[in-house]
Amino acid sequence: EAQVTQNPRYLITVTGKKLTVTCSQNMNHEYMSWYRQDPGLGLRQIYYSMNVEVTDKGDVPEGYKVSRKEKRNFPLILESPSPNQTSLYFCASSRVGWSNQPQHFGDGTRLSIL
Amino acid sequence: AQSVAQPEDQVNVAEGNPLTVKCTYSVSGNPYLFWYVQYPNRGLQFLLKYITGDNLVKGSYGFEAEFNKSQTSFHLKKPSALVSDSALYFCAVRDIWSGAGSYQLTFGKGTKLSVIP
Repeated sequence: EAQVTQNPRYLITVTGKKLTVTCSQNMNHEYMSWYRQDPGLGLRQIYYSMNVEVTDKGDVPEGYKVSRKEKRNFPLILESPSPNQTSLYFCASSRVGWSNQPQHFGDGTRLSIL
Repeated sequence: AQSVAQPEDQVNVAEGNPLTVKCTYSVSGNPYLFWYVQYPNRGLQFLLKYITGDNLVKGSYGFEAEFNKSQTSFHLKKPSALVSDSALYFCAVRDIWSGAGSYQLTFGKGTKLSVIP
């Protein structure tokens, strides 16, 4: 089954404690992206990657890092989380070369930073 | 720059009645337009898209959307609402002239649809 898998689904942690949210897709997609969803703000893009070792900032990249060492994985790293990063996070993927293709989304990771 | 507006935070409709969820967009060139649905504790699921051609696009679960270039709108419709349609709906746009390296989707803020039995 084609899917985007995020882990963990839920995490409560404390300010300053480094964390990583993993994202993996099994569709051999080149494009991967991270979004955060906040009430009243919709989805905002954090970082995206066009292919292995190619990443770029989205609209709200401050406080986040990403890496793309393998095509299937695109982890989101919070080096020093702060309460304003409490949010619902989604990873998505799609093919490159076909910009009319929809993105496939994971089920989300709910982060609470205390 | 590209942007999307969903003017209604919430839409309530009685079961069996037609529903409309509104979306307007702004792009420099020509748009690719998408509708996604989000059920509780789930990710976004693709419903339908407009690329080119027929202005009326049919998608999953009986939904359709009408592209209107002069009004820069892409409203989501369904002839007869079901209680199970209750969810959060997102409109999204991509400018096809935004460059070969850009696959950025810009999302609206979402509209919560409640179908009342």
